[in-house]
Amino acid sequence: NAGVTQTPKFQVLKTGQSMTLQCAQDMNHEYMSWYRQDPGMGLRLIHYSVGAGITDQGEVPNGYNVSRSTTEDFPLRLLSAAPSQTSVYFCASSYSGRVETQYFGPGTRLLVL
Amino acid sequence: EDQVTQSPEALRLQEGESSSLNCSYTVSGLRGLFWYRQDPGKGPEFLFTLYSAGEEKEKERLKATLTKKESFLHITAPKPEDSATYLCAVQARTGTASKLTFGTGTRLQVTL
Repeated sequence: NAGVTQTPKFQVLKTGQSMTLQCAQDMNHEYMSWYRQDPGMGLRLIHYSVGAGITDQGEVPNGYNVSRSTTEDFPLRLLSAAPSQTSVYFCASSYSGRVETQYFGPGTRLLVL
Repeated sequence: EDQVTQSPEALRLQEGESSSLNCSYTVSGLRGLFWYRQDPGKGPEFLFTLYSAGEEKEKERLKATLTKKESFLHITAPKPEDSATYLCAVQARTGTASKLTFGTGTRLQVTL
């Protein structure tokens, strides 16, 4: 099993550009989520999904979009990048009801200029 | 609002020198408290779940304990491979079960 994979590993964007961060898992997990990690702050939940076709907002959803068309994939879209979105983004997955044991991907480091 | 505070921010130990990391929390009814390990450039890795005061969990050189206000991660006779950032998170009994509130972590360095 590859576990949770994320692409790209690193990306530089200009303000106003859009992009999609990819996330895939091969463990047949129902639950998937996106977090951002910033210096001096704990991990913060952006969006999550409890199954294909179902998504919901987390703590910091503004400026981000998600969709879940398959169990395996959960892409995160930045609609119009801003410097405040410079961060490390982690995707995670778990079985339903076991969010605490979620498996995290290796992260995408995003720099918005 | 749920809050998690971890201390110290950074800790440097010599191999074999035992110590404890602290996680103090305020939450509107605790459903669970969780510890994770995060290596540089990687995502967090789940270590322990604690549900109620007095509970303890152990894994190799690590032992996590829980009181009504804080949790400790005790590291006994650490080795260099224990070097990592240790994160604490809480899940409230009310609200969405998906919401975990994370602390900022303790960066542990174990030297020879």
